[in-house]
Amino acid sequence: DAKTTQPTSMDCAEGRAANLPCNHSTISGNEYVYWYRQIHSQGPQYIIHGLKNNETNEMASLIITEDRKSSTLILPHATLRDTAVYYCIVLNYSGGGADGLTFGKGTHLIIQP
Amino acid sequence: GAVVSQHPSWVICKSGTSVKIECRSLDFQATTMFWYRQFPKQSLMLMATSNEGSKATYEQGVEKDKFLINHASLTLSTLTVTSAHPEDSSFYICSARRWGRSTDTQYFGPGTRLTVL
Repeated sequence: DAKTTQPTSMDCAEGRAANLPCNHSTISGNEYVYWYRQIHSQGPQYIIHGLKNNETNEMASLIITEDRKSSTLILPHATLRDTAVYYCIVLNYSGGGADGLTFGKGTHLIIQP
Repeated sequence: GAVVSQHPSWVICKSGTSVKIECRSLDFQATTMFWYRQFPKQSLMLMATSNEGSKATYEQGVEKDKFLINHASLTLSTLTVTSAHPEDSSFYICSARRWGRSTDTQYFGPGTRLTVL
């Protein structure tokens, strides 16, 4: 699976959009981009995933560049409860679900009141 | 959304005893479940892959005789830490694979904090 690079930490003001970048320059054609987050002392929470088109659900939007070498997770109106470590993970879809996830260090997003 | 539960949420045991942790997928069937552990200030590390009706596959460095995994049904996997020692104290988290025509996603349980005295 391709390696990902994320900033160590980010701050965002409550009520503003939080934009979390992820670089995955070695991603291959059949690899999806998944985003999870982990709030302190809890299990990771699935947020969203995509292949090449932009995706949106009730939690967030995922913007993937045309060359697929990077992506951005957008939380449109951040709240204090969005403070967490966010993980960007690239998976081979054909076996992605059947393989365990490799968690990097992620981005610690801190929402400021 | 898909819900995965774990029981217990925390456990304290004496050194040398065994502890069993349950992982259940509540609203979907999961032929594949995974077990992870997380030490303080570190990321999750995959321990093993649990497939219903077959033997678990362990990651390198994880002792299969110490961490016994049973996946006897499509909604339940158990992890038994045998002869636990203080160094086994950690946050144990399971996930269940929800796989279908338009989805292939792992959903995580809330975790079990194990403290071995």
